[in-house]
Amino acid sequence: DGGITQSPKYLFRKEGQNVTLSCEQNLNHDAMYWYRQDPGQGLRLIYYSQIVNDFQKGDIAEGYSVSREKKESFPLTVTSAQKNPTAFYLCASSMTSGRYNEQFFGPGTRLTVL
Amino acid sequence: GNSVTQMEGPVTLSEEAFLTINCTYTATGYPSLFWYVQYPGEGLQLLLKATKADDKGSNKGFEATYRKETTSFHLEKGSVQVSDSAVYFCALSLSGAGSYQLTFGKGTKLSVIP
Repeated sequence: DGGITQSPKYLFRKEGQNVTLSCEQNLNHDAMYWYRQDPGQGLRLIYYSQIVNDFQKGDIAEGYSVSREKKESFPLTVTSAQKNPTAFYLCASSMTSGRYNEQFFGPGTRLTVL
Repeated sequence: GNSVTQMEGPVTLSEEAFLTINCTYTATGYPSLFWYVQYPGEGLQLLLKATKADDKGSNKGFEATYRKETTSFHLEKGSVQVSDSAVYFCALSLSGAGSYQLTFGKGTKLSVIP
């Protein structure tokens, strides 16, 4: 079955540590995205990538980093510079052509800073 | 810029009641419109979509009509079930303009009681 997987489902981090969240897709989509979700604030875009080896900052990129070495993979690193990293993180992917550019989402990773 | 405004929740309905969740948008172009649903602890799932004026998206008894004159895409269902309890997000993307980023509303939480 085609889809998007994220791991781990739950992640705990001590203050000052960097952590990396995994996102893999087998939908053959060119574009991938990372969102942060906080209660009552909807989804905010962190980073997105339209093609391998290229990515752009979204609305809240500070304290985060990404890489796109393979089409299928778009890992997100939450660095110690991120002031308030506790949140639910969602990865998504989409085509980049055609009228229906809907995004497909993974199940999410809940990050808690202890 | 682009924006999506949804009615604030939470919304609580009895089973078999009629549901309307209002969504209006502003966009610098001719957007595609989407409704996504998020069940507790999960990622977002595409519920329905529409790409041009007067298009009606429908799925699982939910419907929404793209109204260009009122810049709206209200979600409706004639008879809700307990299993419809979730958070609903309205979103837009600009099609045909090389842009495929989604702009989300803040979400509306629906609780259906037996």
